[in-house]
Amino acid sequence: SYVLTQPPSVSVAPGKTATIPCGGNNIGSKSVRWYQQKPGQAPVLVIYYDTDRPSGIPERFSGSNSANTATLTISRVEAGDEADYYCQVWDTDSDHFVFGGGTKLTVL
Amino acid sequence: QVQLQESGPGLVKPSQTLSLTCTVSGGSITTGRYYWNWIRQPAGRGLEWIGRIYISAETNYNPSLKSRVTISLDTSKNQFSLNLTSVTAADTAVYYCARGGYNSAWHDVGFDYWGQGNLVTVSS
Repeated sequence: SYVLTQPPSVSVAPGKTATIPCGGNNIGSKSVRWYQQKPGQAPVLVIYYDTDRPSGIPERFSGSNSANTATLTISRVEAGDEADYYCQVWDTDSDHFVFGGGTKLTVL
Repeated sequence: QVQLQESGPGLVKPSQTLSLTCTVSGGSITTGRYYWNWIRQPAGRGLEWIGRIYISAETNYNPSLKSRVTISLDTSKNQFSLNLTSVTAADTAVYYCARGGYNSAWHDVGFDYWGQGNLVTVSS
């Protein structure tokens, strides 16, 4: 089964840039989505198709995907960005969606 | 505005069947560009995709749960449902329903609407 690897935690100071990696074998050939989840809330889609933002998601959120790593980048980080972030892809070998283990973003 | 709402018992006994329903409002479940998902999250842990169903009734399931899962549609009620058989304590989680879909270029655009989640505890 396809495995997505995320660091458990990332810390960043307000106003700085946060980068959250998502590793997977040849993930660059897949379409990656990213979700933000705040405590007690349902996840919210922030990036789909590697780089696209749904309406209402700030331009500060961007995505990239190449080779074996996809990356979520959050520019000018705000306290309100503190949340868990999950990457997701479709595993074509076994026809199912896979989530990464999640990364807790802490704003210092 | 599309809204999804999970409903079902909050407590299920071991070995029994967990049954949840997701009611969709603000849009038709029969729209061809969408598919309907179940996802779960044990307390303090990550997201696990359970499965999905298209309006054609085609389904895909997580291989780790496939032998115990059935997802079905009730178009007359604009609902879809989850049945998970032979539950154990390991199935205790918040269960979410979510809409997935495609844009005009048939690119998958992710899960754009989610329910608030339904906590299901498996315990005798």
